[in-house]
Parts: sequence; structure tokens; C-alpha cells
Amino acid sequence: GEDVEQSLFLSVREGDSSVINCTYTDSSSTYLYWYKQEPGAGLQLLTYIFSNMDMKQDQRLTVLLNKKDKHLSLRIADTQTGDSAIYFCAEKDSSYKLIFGSGTRLLVRP
Amino acid sequence: DTAVSQTPKYLVTQMGNDKSIKCEQNLGHDTMYWYKQDSKKFLKIMFSYNNKELIINETVPNRFSPKSPDKAHLNLHINSLELGDSAVYFCASSQDSATSGYNEQFFGPGTRLTVL
Repeated sequence: GEDVEQSLFLSVREGDSSVINCTYTDSSSTYLYWYKQEPGAGLQLLTYIFSNMDMKQDQRLTVLLNKKDKHLSLRIADTQTGDSAIYFCAEKDSSYKLIFGSGTRLLVRP
Repeated sequence: DTAVSQTPKYLVTQMGNDKSIKCEQNLGHDTMYWYKQDSKKFLKIMFSYNNKELIINETVPNRFSPKSPDKAHLNLHINSLELGDSAVYFCASSQDSATSGYNEQFFGPGTRLTVL
């Protein structure tokens, strides 16, 4: 079946850039997503990218998609303490379900 | 003005009991979902309803039964609760069905179920 994998943990200093990586297996994915989960809350969509694009920028967020390697990344510029959260990568598979990774916990140190 | 709300927020119960979790969305969306997030934060879809019709039904035990009385509500009833059912359950909704476009899903705050 489909699989989405992420590293579990990332720690950065405030003001630095953060890069969260994700790999997926379903080559027929149409959309890929980044969701953010703050403690005790539900997931919130940060950004998404259509599979025929290789980059998308939205303010401090940059998404890079390497479809050949099935690799997705999220770069957060000028990371702030309020960015500390769990970040989930997800793909929309061929049966239109969202398949989520296990999440990357981002810790921003002051 | 909560968009997707769930009740209760916490649910502690004994093995073998039957319990329900309620979900309501006031966004006017057509599609609603239930997800299960385990202790390792792994999130997996359980069900999806579009206009009160079941469209996604993953391989979950028959003890789990979703019910959609109208398109703004999707409740989850669980019979004969087991220890392994302990998790956080998230409800979500989206404007369109899962098939269309990028289909942003809006999540509720979650219900933490603990089975003793």
C-alpha cells in the first residue's frame, strides 16, 4: 500500500531556516500537502502543491517537489517559536484518500 | 463561531462499553471524515461521508459505525470498546468530495478516547 515517511524530530534556533522532508511511494498522487498540528489541536492546512509543479512559495513557506524521487520538502524561513508544532506531510492517493506521514516534531529554540 | 466541533473532548471508559463521539461543522461543507491518530501520532482515515452518503470506508472493525443524520453532522459510535481503541479521533470536513481539486480539509480539535 501507499506509504509516507518523515523524520520524527527537528530542532532549530529561532531565526534559522527549517527544512522538513517527506518521501512517498504512490506515483499517481495528484496533490501533496503540509499540515500543522499544534498541541491539543486538530490539523491545519499550511500549503499544498499540485503534482505537476516542482516548487511553490507562500510567504515564509517554500515547498519543493521532486516527483522522480517522490520527495517533498517544506522550508520555513526565519523560523519563530510559534512555528513549534508537528508537521504532517500527506498525499492524495489514487482513491482520493489522504495518506499522512507520521509527523515531524519541530522544536524552535530561542 | 467554531468551524468543526467535536464532543466530548476527553472520554475515559471501561473495556466493553459502548460510546459515541459527535461532530458538527458549520462551514456548509458537503463532505465529512473521521480519522484515528494513535499514540505515535500516526493519522489514518476511517470513514468519509459526502452529503450523508458513505464514500470511504477503510478496514475498521464493525464495532465502529458512523452515522450522518444530516450533512452538518457525522457521529461515530463504537461498540464493545477495546484497549486498542485508545487514540485521538479527529473529525474533518471539506467543501467538495475527496475526488475534486486539492480539497482542503478542516479538522476538529479531536476527542481523546482512553479505554481502561
